[in-house]
Amino acid sequence: DAMVIQNPRYQVTQFGKPVTLSCSQTLNHNVMYWYQQKSSQAPKLLFHYYDKDFNNEADTPDNFQSRRPNTSFCFLDIRSPGLGDAAMYLCATRVEWANEKLFFGSGTQLSVL
Amino acid sequence: AQRVTQPEKLLSVFKGAPVELKCNYSYSGSPELFWYVQYSRQRLQLLLRHISRESIKGFTADLNKGETSFHLKKPFAQEEDSAMYYCAPYKFNSGGSNYKLTFGKGTLLTVNP
Repeated sequence: DAMVIQNPRYQVTQFGKPVTLSCSQTLNHNVMYWYQQKSSQAPKLLFHYYDKDFNNEADTPDNFQSRRPNTSFCFLDIRSPGLGDAAMYLCATRVEWANEKLFFGSGTQLSVL
Repeated sequence: AQRVTQPEKLLSVFKGAPVELKCNYSYSGSPELFWYVQYSRQRLQLLLRHISRESIKGFTADLNKGETSFHLKKPFAQEEDSAMYYCAPYKFNSGGSNYKLTFGKGTLLTVNP
């Protein structure tokens, strides 16, 4: 059973049109991460939540925002997608006391037209 | 700068041959290092971690502090080992409140029959 669920699997948006990607988890993990993975590149950390504590990476553009209304859900908002934001977006979770293992979702492939 | 380097973008071997995927790191202190694997059409998942000194699916990886390396090895490659492999350092986020996982650029391993 999928423990980290990302919807939708594929998302198409228009240039400049806001889009939201969602991630939910059934693991009750208190840490959640968002990564961006462009074609043939390594996943790049955008930000993460430690409970409600938001941690942004220094090089994450302001165009990317995140919300975590509760433990189970986390959203990635792209306010004005550009062509360069087309990528696979990966959500991952971790439980506080198991420092090393992240559980990944299957990702949302975002296309920007 | 703190980073890991995976010098080979592509690696192709024949079934039954030994395989070594290279990872070198340049981190201050002692990072925790992991190998993550992504099989075709599957989620990114943890393969092994240096602190446990375990062997998973026949793979081992030893942290060599003198050479600052964490190479992944398997004596006899199998076709099902074909995947993308990421070396991943895990380090405390000194500017924040948590550990975070980053990834090397990855090596695509192809095991030919």
